[in-house]
Amino acid sequence: AQKVTQAQTEISVVEKEDVTLDCVYETRDTTYYLFWYKQPPSGELVFLIRRNSFDEQNEISGRYSWNFQKSTSSFNFTITASQVVDSAVYFCALLQVYSGAGSYQLTFGKGTKLSVIP
Amino acid sequence: NAGVTQTPKFRILKIGQSMTLQCTQDMNHNYMYWYRQDPGMGLKLIYYSVGAGITDKGEVPNGYNVSRSTTEDFPLRLELAAPSQTSVYFCASSPRRDRGSLEQFFGPGTRLTVL
Repeated sequence: AQKVTQAQTEISVVEKEDVTLDCVYETRDTTYYLFWYKQPPSGELVFLIRRNSFDEQNEISGRYSWNFQKSTSSFNFTITASQVVDSAVYFCALLQVYSGAGSYQLTFGKGTKLSVIP
Repeated sequence: NAGVTQTPKFRILKIGQSMTLQCTQDMNHNYMYWYRQDPGMGLKLIYYSVGAGITDKGEVPNGYNVSRSTTEDFPLRLELAAPSQTSVYFCASSPRRDRGSLEQFFGPGTRLTVL
């Protein structure tokens, strides 16, 4: 069975501080994909990044960066110089691919609520 | 492209009533999904479909039914609403693996309350 754990339920930081959101996953598959989604107060889900299990390169996109480590089954997300607009719930998700059915099922963590205080 | 659209945005039901949550996508995606999100929780998969006429159960299918008569539409049916079905419902779609990204595109959600 797959599992995604986001141990941090809520985090508060002061604007301009850096913050890291943790994500630990469990899977028996050798091929899998990891995602981060952002859910702002308005409620929609915004895709941030996808990473496949064969690519352990870290990625940086502006103030966002992601650290993928297979050895510790972690896919952590760092926001540098946080801003009030970063306040949201962030979800880590694991994609299981069924080769037979051809479909994919996302397993979500419970999310981390980030509050950035001005 | 409108992407994934859902109607209604909000709904209050009485126990035992039935309703259909509508979901439409205009991206010609083969795969579609229904999730529910309970307070403080991540999303859980209710049902999914790999194409018109093909549906399958996800993690929490009890109390729901789906159909997929066209590529664009994937309605979710609640037959006998119960308070435990109070939740926010998200529809999503994704292209087939060999046709593009594995990203799932989400609709704006339907907030359902059962009293």
